[in-house]
Amino acid sequence: DTGVSQNPRHKITKRGQNVTFRCDPISEHNRLYWYRQTLGQGPEFLTYFQNEAQLEKSRLLSDRFSAERPKGSFSTLEIQRTEQGDSAMYLCASSPLDWGAEAFFGQGTRLTVV
Amino acid sequence: AQKVTQAQTEISVVEKEDVTLDCVYETRDTTYYLFWYKQPPSGELVFLIRRNSFDEQNEISGRYSWNFQKSTSSFNFTITASQVVDSAVYFCALSMNYGGSQGNLIFGKGTKLSVKP
Repeated sequence: DTGVSQNPRHKITKRGQNVTFRCDPISEHNRLYWYRQTLGQGPEFLTYFQNEAQLEKSRLLSDRFSAERPKGSFSTLEIQRTEQGDSAMYLCASSPLDWGAEAFFGQGTRLTVV
Repeated sequence: AQKVTQAQTEISVVEKEDVTLDCVYETRDTTYYLFWYKQPPSGELVFLIRRNSFDEQNEISGRYSWNFQKSTSSFNFTITASQVVDSAVYFCALSMNYGGSQGNLIFGKGTKLSVKP
């Protein structure tokens, strides 16, 4: 396994456009997380899946954001009607079911909204 | 409220010096895990160490060691004999187990470590 993979690595979009990011977790991991990281800050939790079920969403996740994990495999994060404030690094992580297990992170997708 | 505070924004040391990164956490839960992650310039967060709330034994792993003290809610991380390759941003994180929140990490703002040759 090559670890957590995220695509694209970079995305530049115009304000108001929709964007979609993809995350391929480590195959045997049940849990998948999305985080957002802005410059000089630590990652902030957005949402997480246990298999295909989305179990929690942060208040940071406005109704313009939607995430899916069909069949409990890869996940997508879509942002509709992007705003400049959405510019950030979007990180995906996966972990086994054990809640104390370490999460493995992808390299992230850097979104720039112009 | 759950919170992680890393008071040191940036630290600069010369190679071979020891360096300690501070972390203070807040939680009302009795069951939790604490982590340290490293984020090099490439951007990928790399897991370093983990400690659960029931085990205050401090350990050493290679050049890394940590000091977990529940009485002061601190989880400090030390790199011995620092190397240039240790230059990165280091994050302390808290993971709890309550309700539907299992495994979600709450991160501090990070400490940027620069190790100069």
